[in-house]
Amino acid sequence: AQTVTQSQPEMSVQEAETVTLSCTYDTSESDYYLFWYKQPPSRQMILVIRQEAYKQQNATENRFSVNFQKAAKSFSLKISDSQLGDAAMYFCAYRSASRPFGGSQGNLIFGKGTKLSVKP
Amino acid sequence: KAGVTQTPRYLIKTRGQQVTLSCSPISGHRSVSWYQQTPGQGLQFLFEYFSETQRNKGNFPGRFSGRQFSNSRSEMNVSTLELGDSALYLCASSSTRGTQGEQFFGPGTRLTVL
Repeated sequence: AQTVTQSQPEMSVQEAETVTLSCTYDTSESDYYLFWYKQPPSRQMILVIRQEAYKQQNATENRFSVNFQKAAKSFSLKISDSQLGDAAMYFCAYRSASRPFGGSQGNLIFGKGTKLSVKP
Repeated sequence: KAGVTQTPRYLIKTRGQQVTLSCSPISGHRSVSWYQQTPGQGLQFLFEYFSETQRNKGNFPGRFSGRQFSNSRSEMNVSTLELGDSALYLCASSSTRGTQGEQFFGPGTRLTVL
């Protein structure tokens, strides 16, 4: 079974600074997707960024970028120029590309999350 | 397009009762997944429906059930509620089956069991 581990339950960053959230995963599969989701307090979960495992290039979305290390099974999220609106729970998630419906773990396997606080 | 909607947003029930939660996916989306989110266990997969058929089921007791209608709207039901069922229940929809397609989440239904 696949597992996703986020070792930082909480993180804090000063506004305008850069912060990196860690995520490691365990899988025997070679083809998969990785995601970072953001869940602001009392608001909907939204997708921040996605990475296809077959792509060597790290994904980037504006101030958000990832450091994808396939051999190390590491997938960290870097937030540059942090803003107050970035304060949220961040979840790392894994999805198999070869098993259509994921099995009993479902399509998306989530880490426990990292709560990010942004200080003004 | 309207996003994923879930009703009701908040619900308070007592132990032993049953509850039905509803999810309307984004128009055109045929896949609906349900998750339970708690502070202790995080996000746990309940089940997924595609074209009215349950395709996947997580490790939850039989008290948790669901269904999907021909218009892709989905409901989940929890019978004989227990205190531990208090959680945020999230619904997510995607346009295609299986591994393709991003999942879009609804705002969730906050269930409190007293």
